[in-house]
Amino acid sequence: GQNIDQPTEMTATEGAIVQINCTYQTSGFNGLFWYQQHAGEAPTFLSYNVLDGLEEKGRFSSFLSRSKGYSYLLLKELQMKDSASYLCAVVDSNYQLIWGAGTKLIIKP
Amino acid sequence: EAQVTQNPRYLITVTGKKLTVTCSQNMNHEYMSWYRQDPGLGLRQIYYSMNVEVTDKGDVPEGYKVSRKEKRNFPLILESPSPNQTSLYFCASSLTGTSAAYEQYFGPGTRLTVT
Repeated sequence: GQNIDQPTEMTATEGAIVQINCTYQTSGFNGLFWYQQHAGEAPTFLSYNVLDGLEEKGRFSSFLSRSKGYSYLLLKELQMKDSASYLCAVVDSNYQLIWGAGTKLIIKP
Repeated sequence: EAQVTQNPRYLITVTGKKLTVTCSQNMNHEYMSWYRQDPGLGLRQIYYSMNVEVTDKGDVPEGYKVSRKEKRNFPLILESPSPNQTSLYFCASSLTGTSAAYEQYFGPGTRLTVT
């Protein structure tokens, strides 16, 4: 079967750095997305990786290792507004999105 | 403004009373999709549409129907709602469903309660 694993919840301190991991086992791979979702709101796009390596976008970076079936989202200089759930989603061989259950990130002052 | 709209945003109904949740996008996207989101389970796809008049089942299609008569609209129909369909529903659209590189744009969500 297809499976995406992420930690259920993480806690970090304002101003710090946090890394949210995602491991996947899917039938084929055509890319990996990270989305941010604030409580009760719609998910919004953060990043897309299809090649191995690190993609940096401001305070957020996303890393992919296809051989290891692994990605992480790195958030730097954490702000209170970063408190949200972070969803990992993999595009399989049929171009369907397989979603992880999400990681709830709690930021403490 | 490019957006996906859903109506209603909140709905409380009773078992067996047919309802429709509308979804519309103004970005000329080919691909549209419906998800439900339940605590601890993440997003689960109900139905999707690659283009007008083309719809397919997702992971949890039982109890739902969809149609895609126009490119911009993709309504979700619950013919006989049951309490286990109480959930948060999201409509999403993407430029195309045949390339992985395009992100999905989500509507604001519809919180449905079936008593």
